[in-house]
Amino acid sequence: EAGVVQSPRYKIIEKKQPVAFWCNPISGHNTLYWYLQNLGQGPELLIRYENEEAVDDSQLPKDRFSAERLKGVDSTLKIQPAELGDSAVYLCASSLGQGAHTQYFGPGTRLTVL
Amino acid sequence: AQSVTQPDIHITVSEGASLELRCNYSYGATPYLFWYVQSPGQGLQLLLKYFSGDTLVQGIKGFEAEFKRSQSSFNLRKPSVHWSDAAEYFCAVGEEEGGGNKLTFGTGTQLKVEL
Repeated sequence: EAGVVQSPRYKIIEKKQPVAFWCNPISGHNTLYWYLQNLGQGPELLIRYENEEAVDDSQLPKDRFSAERLKGVDSTLKIQPAELGDSAVYLCASSLGQGAHTQYFGPGTRLTVL
Repeated sequence: AQSVTQPDIHITVSEGASLELRCNYSYGATPYLFWYVQSPGQGLQLLLKYFSGDTLVQGIKGFEAEFKRSQSSFNLRKPSVHWSDAAEYFCAVGEEEGGGNKLTFGTGTQLKVEL
């Protein structure tokens, strides 16, 4: 069974540029999560989707971050414009759906903002 | 609000020695508890989880963890460490929220294995 797929794995951009990350969850998983992991820290939730609906985006900095999951499968996380402090690893995870407690993580996208 | 403390930032053990990584949590109800491992440049891999029942849970790669409610702890153990176990280990507590599971992670413990 294929795991959570993310691309790109690495991204280097200049500050003020836009950037987008893509995630394809495990087949059949209705719940999708985006996490931010700063160096030396544990992941922190940015947004959670149940199918197409963003049910928890309280930690998403909405002035520059946006996300979508149009067909309830894959998802895109965007930053526009990027700032130096956005350099981090962006992780995507998925779980079966409501009531499912185990999250499975992708390899992450490491973003460097210069 | 739930929280997780991993008091050891770095741990070094010799290959073949036993290992215990500490995790303390703060949560009002019965928690869902997890240990994940992260190798350099990789995502998080689930080692084991506790939801209910037997307080000693077995995971992959020979790891086990014991839930102790009285101590609010969920320490990870392995009787004999292999060089390939060198990685970062994260403890997490989950709570049900809005039909989903919200995970709060500790800051991680970096494990180094000396040959």
